[in-house]
Amino acid sequence: EVQLVQSGAEVKKPGESLKISCKGSGYSFTTYWIGWVRQMPGKGLEWMGIIYPGDSDTRYSPSSQGQVTISADKSISTAYLQWSSLKASDTAMYYCARHRGGAFNSPFGYWGQGTLVTVSS
Amino acid sequence: QSALTQPASVSGSPGQSIAISCTGTSSDVGGYNYVSWYQQHPGKAPKLMIYEVSNRPSGVSDRFSGSKSGNTASLTISGLQAEDEADYYCSSYTSSNFVFGTGTKVTVL
Repeated sequence: EVQLVQSGAEVKKPGESLKISCKGSGYSFTTYWIGWVRQMPGKGLEWMGIIYPGDSDTRYSPSSQGQVTISADKSISTAYLQWSSLKASDTAMYYCARHRGGAFNSPFGYWGQGTLVTVSS
Repeated sequence: QSALTQPASVSGSPGQSIAISCTGTSSDVGGYNYVSWYQQHPGKAPKLMIYEVSNRPSGVSDRFSGSKSGNTASLTISGLQAEDEADYYCSSYTSSNFVFGTGTKVTVL
């Protein structure tokens, strides 16, 4: 059974750094794209970016480029989303999700439970 | 890139059929047959309902169907049930990444 288990909720101050994680199991971690989706409070879904753990090929949305870093450690089947300097506007639920199939144009077929990030002074 | 445009809300009575539209451009919806639809209940992670315009993953009810014409895709829910009340999002491949729709709240009256 494919499972994506995300790290727990975080409360941070503006300017702090943060790295949240998403551990995949039940499938070959290196052969499926895995990505991150942001959902701000009461708002819709936003596609942030995606990584292919097999070769670390990474793509970002225009709005996420330069704001976050997506990475993966295939030795422990874990993907990461990190910030170097958080802003209050980063407050949101962040979901990791795995592509349904192996191709880049495949939709997100499996989702993590979400990680709530709260940034407040 | 801009979010795909969906109606903010759609409602229907139990047993009725409703349709949700998703309008993009020739660079996303109109350019590829890689439109998908997600259902999200409050406090839950999204769930894939339709992929590649009209395909249903295993386990998704056949009351859900998808189609596309030009730059607009549609999700139809037939035989509306109380459990269908949720937010629905379309998504499209755009060659270098993906984009979601603005989301539609479906209310079962």
